[in-house]
Amino acid sequence: AQSVTQLDSHVSVSEGTPVLLRCNYSSSYSPSLFWYVQHPNKGLQLLLKYTSAATLVKGINGFEAEFKKSETSFHLTKPSAHMSDAAEYFCVVSDGDGYNKLIFGAGTRLAVHP
Amino acid sequence: DAMVIQNPRYQVTQFGKPVTLSCSQTLNHNVMYWYQQKSSQAPKLLFHYYDKDFNNEADTPDNFQSRRPNTSFCFLDIRSPGLGDAAMYLCATGGPGEQFFGPGTRLTVL
Repeated sequence: AQSVTQLDSHVSVSEGTPVLLRCNYSSSYSPSLFWYVQHPNKGLQLLLKYTSAATLVKGINGFEAEFKKSETSFHLTKPSAHMSDAAEYFCVVSDGDGYNKLIFGAGTRLAVHP
Repeated sequence: DAMVIQNPRYQVTQFGKPVTLSCSQTLNHNVMYWYQQKSSQAPKLLFHYYDKDFNNEADTPDNFQSRRPNTSFCFLDIRSPGLGDAAMYLCATGGPGEQFFGPGTRLTVL
């Protein structure tokens, strides 16, 4: 069965410093992996996705993630945090069935302070 | 342009009073999903439709029902809301490799 573990429930950074949100996955086959962002009282927005192409995936708003099979990781990074990045971030794996059921991590709350 | 639209954005109901949440999509995808998201938790899949085929998650309470009259629309019916059903309800649709989420309906149960 597929699963994801987000290693930090809260991350706090200063504006302009790098962001690292950690995610490990478990999958019996080559997974599809996603990062979604959710701002307060809003729906989820796709940041980026990995679907067995390039292992370094670039997303919106300057975010990127690297798929590392040997480490079963899919960490999300951004070189320089902006105040508007403060939100909840979910690492997600698709179970691979035809209807694309998503399995969510518990989420990481990112706080950005001046 | 909005691709997944949910109405209303905020819904208040009374304990035990049935409520219906609405979702529509302009992407013409054949799969639609309903999630429940409680405060500070990840979204939890309640059920999904593949075309007209309804697929319930094993742990979704019978209190939650759904209807999909056509490709574009899907409804979530809560027959007798309890205090524990207060949550954000997210609708999504998707093709291969991605799901598109609506903005959600925040349900309050008094």
